[in-house]
Amino acid sequence: EDKVVQSPLSLVVHEGDTVTLNCSYEVTNFRSLLWYKQEKKAPTFLFMLTSSGIEKKSGRLSSILDKKELSSILNITATQTGDSAIYLCAGGNNDMRFGAGTRLTVKP
Amino acid sequence: NAGVMQNPRHLVRRRGQEARLRCSPMKGHSHVYWYRQLPEEGLKFMVYLQKENIIDESGMPKERFSAEFPKEGPSILRIQQVVRGDSAAYFCASSPPGLLDEQYFGPGTRLTVT
Repeated sequence: EDKVVQSPLSLVVHEGDTVTLNCSYEVTNFRSLLWYKQEKKAPTFLFMLTSSGIEKKSGRLSSILDKKELSSILNITATQTGDSAIYLCAGGNNDMRFGAGTRLTVKP
Repeated sequence: NAGVMQNPRHLVRRRGQEARLRCSPMKGHSHVYWYRQLPEEGLKFMVYLQKENIIDESGMPKERFSAEFPKEGPSILRIQQVVRGDSAAYFCASSPPGLLDEQYFGPGTRLTVT
Protein backbone atom coordinates (compact mmCIF):
# COMPACT_ATOMS: atom_id res chain seq x y z
CA GLU A 1 0.00 0.00 0.00
CA ASP A 2 1.28 3.44 -0.90
CA LYS A 3 2.30 5.59 2.03
CA VAL A 4 3.96 8.87 2.81
CA VAL A 5 5.45 9.39 6.25
CA GLN A 6 6.51 12.72 7.68
CA SER A 7 8.66 13.42 10.68
CA PRO A 8 8.63 14.86 13.16
CA LEU A 9 4.89 15.10 13.69
CA SER A 10 5.35 18.33 15.59
CA LEU A 11 8.19 20.71 16.22
CA VAL A 12 8.55 23.78 18.41
CA VAL A 13 11.40 26.20 17.77
CA HIS A 14 12.28 29.82 18.45
CA GLU A 15 12.55 32.58 15.92
CA GLY A 16 15.84 32.48 14.08
CA ASP A 17 16.26 28.73 14.37
CA THR A 18 16.74 26.51 11.33
CA VAL A 19 14.47 23.51 10.92
CA THR A 20 14.53 20.42 8.73
CA LEU A 21 11.34 18.54 7.99
CA ASN A 22 11.47 15.02 6.64
CA CYS A 23 9.28 13.13 4.21
CA SER A 24 9.68 9.52 3.10
CA TYR A 25 7.52 7.82 0.54
CA GLU A 26 6.64 4.41 -0.77
CA VAL A 27 4.54 5.14 -3.79
CA THR A 28 4.01 3.08 -6.89
CA ASN A 29 4.23 4.90 -10.17
CA PHE A 30 6.03 7.83 -8.53
CA ARG A 31 6.38 10.96 -10.62
CA SER A 32 6.85 13.86 -8.24
CA LEU A 33 6.91 15.00 -4.64
CA LEU A 34 5.14 18.13 -3.53
CA TRP A 35 5.45 20.27 -0.42
CA TYR A 36 2.60 22.40 0.89
CA LYS A 37 2.13 24.82 3.76
CA GLN A 38 -1.25 24.62 5.46
CA GLU A 39 -2.32 27.27 7.90
CA LYS A 40 -5.95 27.65 8.81
CA LYS A 41 -7.08 27.39 5.24
CA ALA A 42 -6.27 25.27 2.22
CA PRO A 43 -2.73 24.12 1.56
CA THR A 44 -0.58 26.49 -0.43
CA PHE A 45 1.89 25.11 -2.90
CA LEU A 46 5.59 25.40 -2.02
CA PHE A 47 7.68 23.08 -4.17
CA MET A 48 7.45 20.36 -6.74
CA LEU A 49 10.40 17.98 -6.96
CA THR A 50 10.88 15.48 -9.73
CA SER A 51 14.64 15.10 -10.06
CA SER A 52 16.94 13.72 -7.43
CA GLY A 53 19.63 15.93 -5.97
CA ILE A 54 18.45 19.24 -7.37
CA GLU A 55 17.69 21.76 -4.66
CA LYS A 56 14.79 24.12 -5.07
CA LYS A 57 14.83 27.40 -3.16
CA SER A 58 12.32 30.08 -2.39
CA GLY A 59 13.54 32.69 0.05
CA ARG A 60 14.29 31.01 3.34
CA LEU A 61 12.79 27.72 2.23
CA SER A 62 14.57 25.03 0.29
CA SER A 63 13.88 21.43 -0.55
CA ILE A 64 15.61 18.49 -2.16
CA LEU A 65 14.58 15.03 -3.29
CA ASP A 66 16.57 11.82 -2.86
CA LYS A 67 15.07 9.15 -5.08
CA LYS A 68 17.56 6.55 -3.92
CA GLU A 69 16.44 6.98 -0.32
CA LEU A 70 12.82 7.67 -1.32
CA SER A 71 12.82 10.81 0.75
CA SER A 72 12.80 14.56 0.73
CA ILE A 73 13.63 17.29 3.19
CA LEU A 74 12.27 20.79 3.58
CA ASN A 75 14.59 23.31 5.22
CA ILE A 76 13.53 26.60 6.69
CA THR A 77 16.27 28.97 7.82
CA ALA A 78 15.91 31.96 10.15
CA THR A 79 12.42 30.89 11.09
CA GLN A 80 9.74 33.48 11.81
CA THR A 81 6.46 33.22 13.69
CA GLY A 82 4.69 33.40 10.35
CA ASP A 83 6.25 30.07 9.44
CA SER A 84 4.05 28.40 12.03
CA ALA A 85 1.85 25.99 10.09
CA ILE A 86 1.41 22.37 9.12
CA TYR A 87 3.77 21.34 6.37
CA LEU A 88 2.46 18.60 4.12
CA CYS A 89 4.32 16.51 1.63
CA ALA A 90 2.69 14.42 -1.06
CA GLY A 91 4.07 11.91 -3.50
CA GLY A 92 2.72 10.06 -6.46
CA ASN A 93 1.34 10.60 -9.89
CA ASN A 94 -2.19 11.77 -10.49
CA ASP A 95 -3.32 10.30 -7.19
CA MET A 96 -1.10 12.14 -4.77
CA ARG A 97 -0.72 10.52 -1.37
CA PHE A 98 -0.30 12.97 1.46
CA GLY A 99 1.58 12.53 4.69
CA ALA A 100 0.01 13.44 8.00
CA GLY A 101 2.03 16.64 8.12
CA THR A 102 4.53 18.25 10.47
CA ARG A 103 3.07 20.87 12.77
CA LEU A 104 5.70 23.60 13.14
CA THR A 105 5.36 26.18 15.88
CA VAL A 106 7.78 29.08 15.90
CA LYS A 107 7.87 31.02 19.17
CA PRO A 108 8.99 34.64 19.36
CA ASN B 1 -6.98 35.65 -11.91
CA ALA B 2 -9.24 34.25 -9.23
CA GLY B 3 -8.01 31.17 -7.46
CA VAL B 4 -9.83 27.89 -7.12
CA MET B 5 -13.30 28.54 -5.79
CA GLN B 6 -15.38 26.20 -3.72
CA ASN B 7 -18.87 26.57 -2.41
CA PRO B 8 -20.43 26.39 -0.06
CA ARG B 9 -17.68 26.98 2.48
CA HIS B 10 -19.74 25.35 5.20
CA LEU B 11 -22.48 22.80 4.71
CA VAL B 12 -24.61 21.17 7.37
CA ARG B 13 -26.64 18.11 6.48
CA ARG B 14 -28.68 15.67 8.49
CA ARG B 15 -28.02 11.98 8.21
CA GLY B 16 -29.59 10.58 5.07
CA GLN B 17 -29.58 13.85 3.11
CA GLU B 18 -27.51 14.58 0.03
CA ALA B 19 -24.52 16.90 -0.01
CA ARG B 20 -23.36 18.67 -3.15
CA LEU B 21 -19.98 20.36 -3.15
CA ARG B 22 -18.91 22.60 -6.02
CA CYS B 23 -15.49 23.49 -7.30
CA SER B 24 -14.58 26.00 -9.98
CA PRO B 25 -10.97 25.57 -11.10
CA MET B 26 -8.60 28.40 -11.82
CA LYS B 27 -8.95 29.98 -15.23
CA GLY B 28 -7.10 27.91 -17.78
CA HIS B 29 -6.97 24.82 -15.58
CA SER B 30 -8.55 21.73 -17.04
CA HIS B 31 -7.78 19.23 -14.30
CA VAL B 32 -9.60 18.94 -11.01
CA TYR B 33 -8.79 16.84 -7.97
CA TRP B 34 -10.88 16.21 -4.88
CA TYR B 35 -9.40 15.46 -1.47
CA ARG B 36 -10.92 14.74 1.91
CA GLN B 37 -9.33 15.79 5.16
CA LEU B 38 -10.69 14.07 8.20
CA PRO B 39 -10.11 15.55 11.66
CA GLU B 40 -6.52 15.01 12.80
CA GLU B 41 -5.65 13.24 9.54
CA GLY B 42 -3.87 14.22 6.39
CA LEU B 43 -5.40 14.88 3.03
CA LYS B 44 -6.60 11.80 1.19
CA PHE B 45 -6.99 11.68 -2.55
CA MET B 46 -10.45 10.89 -3.80
CA VAL B 47 -10.77 11.50 -7.53
CA TYR B 48 -9.07 13.17 -10.49
CA LEU B 49 -11.15 14.54 -13.35
CA GLN B 50 -10.74 16.31 -16.61
CA LYS B 51 -13.63 17.90 -18.47
CA GLU B 52 -16.33 15.24 -18.92
CA ASN B 53 -13.94 12.46 -17.87
CA ILE B 54 -13.07 10.70 -14.67
CA ILE B 55 -9.40 9.84 -14.95
CA ASP B 56 -8.74 8.22 -11.58
CA GLU B 57 -11.29 7.50 -8.89
CA SER B 58 -9.25 5.05 -6.89
CA GLY B 59 -9.74 7.03 -3.70
CA MET B 60 -13.50 7.33 -3.91
CA PRO B 61 -15.65 5.21 -1.59
CA LYS B 62 -17.49 2.66 -3.66
CA GLU B 63 -20.93 3.72 -2.52
CA ARG B 64 -22.76 7.02 -2.09
CA PHE B 65 -19.95 9.17 -3.54
CA SER B 66 -19.79 10.44 -7.11
CA ALA B 67 -18.03 13.23 -8.94
CA GLU B 68 -18.40 14.97 -12.25
CA PHE B 69 -16.75 17.75 -14.20
CA PRO B 70 -19.12 18.74 -16.99
CA LYS B 71 -18.18 20.57 -20.13
CA GLU B 72 -19.73 23.71 -18.71
CA GLY B 73 -19.86 24.64 -15.07
CA PRO B 74 -18.07 23.59 -11.94
CA SER B 75 -16.97 20.18 -10.82
CA ILE B 76 -19.38 18.62 -8.36
CA LEU B 77 -18.73 16.11 -5.62
CA ARG B 78 -21.97 14.46 -4.57
CA ILE B 79 -22.46 12.48 -1.41
CA GLN B 80 -25.77 10.68 -1.10
CA GLN B 81 -27.35 9.57 2.15
CA VAL B 82 -24.68 11.21 4.26
CA VAL B 83 -23.55 9.65 7.52
CA ARG B 84 -21.70 11.17 10.48
CA GLY B 85 -18.43 9.73 9.24
CA ASP B 86 -18.66 11.90 6.14
CA SER B 87 -18.06 15.00 8.27
CA ALA B 88 -14.78 16.42 7.03
CA ALA B 89 -13.18 19.19 5.05
CA TYR B 90 -13.34 18.54 1.32
CA PHE B 91 -10.72 20.28 -0.76
CA CYS B 92 -10.65 20.71 -4.47
CA ALA B 93 -7.46 21.45 -6.37
CA SER B 94 -6.85 22.29 -10.00
CA SER B 95 -3.85 22.18 -12.26
CA PRO B 96 -3.08 23.51 -15.73
CA PRO B 97 -2.53 21.27 -18.75
CA GLY B 98 1.03 20.01 -18.85
CA LEU B 99 1.72 20.88 -15.21
CA LEU B 100 -0.39 18.24 -13.58
CA ASP B 101 1.63 18.25 -10.40
CA GLU B 102 1.23 21.93 -9.62
CA GLN B 103 -2.05 21.64 -7.85
CA TYR B 104 -3.58 24.75 -6.41
CA PHE B 105 -6.12 24.26 -3.69
CA GLY B 106 -9.44 25.91 -3.06
CA PRO B 107 -10.50 27.05 0.41
CA GLY B 108 -12.38 23.84 1.09
CA THR B 109 -15.93 22.97 2.08
CA ARG B 110 -16.46 21.90 5.65
CA LEU B 111 -19.24 19.34 5.76
CA THR B 112 -20.91 18.64 9.07
CA VAL B 113 -23.40 15.81 9.32
CA THR B 114 -25.72 16.00 12.30
